[in-house]
Amino acid sequence: AQKVTQAQTEISVVEKEDVTLDCVYETRDTTYYLFWYKQPPSGELVFLIRRNSFDEQNEISGRYSWNFQKSTSSFNFTITASQVVDSAVYFCALSEALYGNNRLAFGKGNQVVVIP
Amino acid sequence: GAGVSQSPRYKVAKRGQDVALRCDPISGHVSLFWYQQALGQGPEFLTYFQNEAQLDKSGLPSDRFFAERPEGSVSTLKIQRTQQEDSAVYLCASSFGQGIYEQYFGPGTRLTVT
Repeated sequence: AQKVTQAQTEISVVEKEDVTLDCVYETRDTTYYLFWYKQPPSGELVFLIRRNSFDEQNEISGRYSWNFQKSTSSFNFTITASQVVDSAVYFCALSEALYGNNRLAFGKGNQVVVIP
Repeated sequence: GAGVSQSPRYKVAKRGQDVALRCDPISGHVSLFWYQQALGQGPEFLTYFQNEAQLDKSGLPSDRFFAERPEGSVSTLKIQRTQQEDSAVYLCASSFGQGIYEQYFGPGTRLTVT
């Protein structure tokens, strides 16, 4: 069963538009961590954010913001005023304490294309 | 820079050949992970090391896959008798401690089995 679902496969936006990426996760663990990574065309995954299950506070970092809602098991990511450099695949990932290590379960990713 | 490095970046193997993929983690990072990423998919966990100990190998798809980290730093992922379904990008990641820390990924090795 897919633990992390990213339903939107490819999203195209015009530069300066906002784009929101949805992430829905599934776990029976009460302690878990959620992550977002960016994978530009070069291929290297870049860490964006980590959030633990006890901290539902939303976060903003520059043009990036994250909305964590345990009630709906969602951890959505918004890019405000998108730029061409934001074109990449974005992955949401889940780490569950039950494994005793930090193995990540990734979603299938959202391909974001920003059109100049 | 002092990031995670992997070699080779690209590897073409004929079906049945053995391959070895190398990962140099960030210096001092205790935890090391290997993932497999098929085209158009998210990375899938293969195995986990804490220092030199391989604590989780539940993601290795078959006994043809073998990983080691003998001195707790560099790691090698070996695939014996490669098959076409092994074609993928193999990603290595390291993190600072034993707990839940962000993982830093290398650029990956793209393996193509012909």
